[in-house]
Amino acid sequence: GDSVTQMEGPVTLSEEAFLTINCTYTATGYPSLFWYVQYPGEGLQLLLKATKADDKGSNKGFEATYRKETTSFHLEKGSVQVSDSAVYFCALVSGGYQKVTFGTGTKLQVIP
Amino acid sequence: NAGVMQNPRHLVRRRGQEARLRCSPMKGHSHVYWYRQLPEEGLKFMVYLQKENIIDESGMPKERFSAEFPKEGPSILRIQQVVRGDSAAYFCASSPGQGGSTDTQYFGPGTRLTVL
Repeated sequence: GDSVTQMEGPVTLSEEAFLTINCTYTATGYPSLFWYVQYPGEGLQLLLKATKADDKGSNKGFEATYRKETTSFHLEKGSVQVSDSAVYFCALVSGGYQKVTFGTGTKLQVIP
Repeated sequence: NAGVMQNPRHLVRRRGQEARLRCSPMKGHSHVYWYRQLPEEGLKFMVYLQKENIIDESGMPKERFSAEFPKEGPSILRIQQVVRGDSAAYFCASSPGQGGSTDTQYFGPGTRLTVL
């Protein structure tokens, strides 16, 4: 079945540091890939998505590129802020199935 | 355009009681999904509904849990005779129903259920 594996956290960075959160997937067909962010006590917000190979999703300074050859969708940001502290979930939807398969989440803490 | 609405945001029940969680999808969305997030874990799919139809309930426990999305009104996730293990955050998502894997789901703020 479909699965998403993302790096375990927590990840602690200083403000303005470079961020990478690794995500790899296993899926049938050609999935769409997503990053969601969950701020403390809140629901999930869609951060970015990519629907086909080599697509780059980007939003709020975050980027991720759909790499079919390595089945990866790593999240990056060049300079993190304290306000980026949250839990980040990598996710996919594959084929005709509508359910989202989530990774376990990576907690990011950015310190001033 | 209001987002996905869920209520209540917090719900406390004693063991054996019933919990009813409501979800109003975004305007124009006809597909609703329910997910459960146990403490310190990711979200797990429970059920996928369209108006008056359950499309996929493969993630729903066979007993005590049920879901509906009537022609009028919100979607309801119902948990009968709750147990402590049901304590979790329950998230609803909706999508426009364009079909296929490009149909993006938008999530509500969740209902945090605590069973005493």
